[in-house]
Amino acid sequence: RKEVEQDPGPFNVPEGATVAFNCTYSNSASQSFFWYRQDCRKEPKLLMSVYSSGNEDGRFTAQLNRASQYISLLIRDSKLSDSATYLCVVQSSSASKIIFGSGTRLSIRP
Amino acid sequence: ETGVTQSPTHLIKTRGQQVTLRCSSQSGHNTVSWYQQALGQGPQFIFQYYREEENGRGNFPPRFSGLQFPNYSSELNVNALELDDSALYLCASSFSREAEYFGPGTRLTVT
Repeated sequence: RKEVEQDPGPFNVPEGATVAFNCTYSNSASQSFFWYRQDCRKEPKLLMSVYSSGNEDGRFTAQLNRASQYISLLIRDSKLSDSATYLCVVQSSSASKIIFGSGTRLSIRP
Repeated sequence: ETGVTQSPTHLIKTRGQQVTLRCSSQSGHNTVSWYQQALGQGPQFIFQYYREEENGRGNFPPRFSGLQFPNYSSELNVNALELDDSALYLCASSFSREAEYFGPGTRLTVT
């Protein structure tokens, strides 16, 4: 079993739709969680950190469920510019080990 | 732009050679991580440097080594290059191991 798992997609949704991604992790000692987006042949860009209380940034909402060991990302009112690969990241503070998921591809159609 | 820079942008090497990749961290950041990203995969953590010391390491062999300098810039060295080392190498900097900001990467091709 992979330490961090994401549905690879692709998700193909119409503009204006709401889309949600989940990411599961196996190490219960994991401390920090992030979502990144990566455009084709570009570097990953930080989208948001994920906190236990959940956090929102405009159309984006991230949640952490420690009991079930997953994080989620919700995108509301999706735009064409949201088309990208979304990567979840799990960090263990004790080993300073950082693990990326393989990414979920999202394609928004007009 | 994140302020993290990497050089060179592209590199072609022959199997068995050695390579050094460079990274300048964002101003105010003291931590640098290196990643290898193969096509269609997420970045794989190689190692992290915090205040010039190796702070964590992924599942990469010892021929992958690194350095961090007093100005927090960093180098990744790979010895005895193999064909499978062909990938995008990403550097990311952060302040005290918080959220990381990536440079544009170095694309290495081993022939």
